[in-house]
Amino acid sequence: SQQGEEDPQALSIQEGENATMNCSYKTSINNLQWYRQNSGRGLVHLILIRSNEREKHSGRLRVTLDTSKKSSSLLITASRAADTASYFCAIESSGTYKYIFGTGTRLKVLA
Amino acid sequence: DTEVTQTPKHLVMGMTNKKSLKCEQHMGHRAMYWYKQKAKKPPELMFVYSYEKLSINESVPSRFSPECPNSSLLNLHLHALQPEDSALYLCASSQVVNRQASYNEQFFGPGTRLTVL
Repeated sequence: SQQGEEDPQALSIQEGENATMNCSYKTSINNLQWYRQNSGRGLVHLILIRSNEREKHSGRLRVTLDTSKKSSSLLITASRAADTASYFCAIESSGTYKYIFGTGTRLKVLA
Repeated sequence: DTEVTQTPKHLVMGMTNKKSLKCEQHMGHRAMYWYKQKAKKPPELMFVYSYEKLSINESVPSRFSPECPNSSLLNLHLHALQPEDSALYLCASSQVVNRQASYNEQFFGPGTRLTVL
């Protein structure tokens, strides 16, 4: 399966702590994106990282990509209760024009 | 306007009904997508339209029939669905579907929650 695998499946932390979630995949990719989804609603794009990039930042988010290990990580610093959501990675395999979503990490931030 | 809208928000239908889901965007995006998402699962790609033409069909059963009347609209026609088709149906759009493009962020609508009885 081309689907990305994310770990952990669920994560519960205190407000103010950092949250790290990981995505692993099996194919070569054009780029990888991270999305957030609140309570079964639409997904919100967080950040895109291209295959020739190793790290990107956006506000409290930091994404890394290691194409040799076929893995990516999303770090949310100084978490807030509002960060409680499911987080998905989505990979665009090389040679395709579509995204395959990972299994997701359910993050719960306790106030 | 950076919004993708979907109607209806909720839909309950019987297995013999015919219904349609609608999606609209006014961001000038030329790629539009349908995804199906079951509870606590990731979205699964169903169809991709590029420049109003169907470019990807992920072996979706024919009881789902997509239509792209123009660059802003995307429909999903439903007929003779099964209870296992109950799910959240998400529409998304992006700027291009092109391997040379450096930016393929997808904008998602809020989804239509479909229940098939």
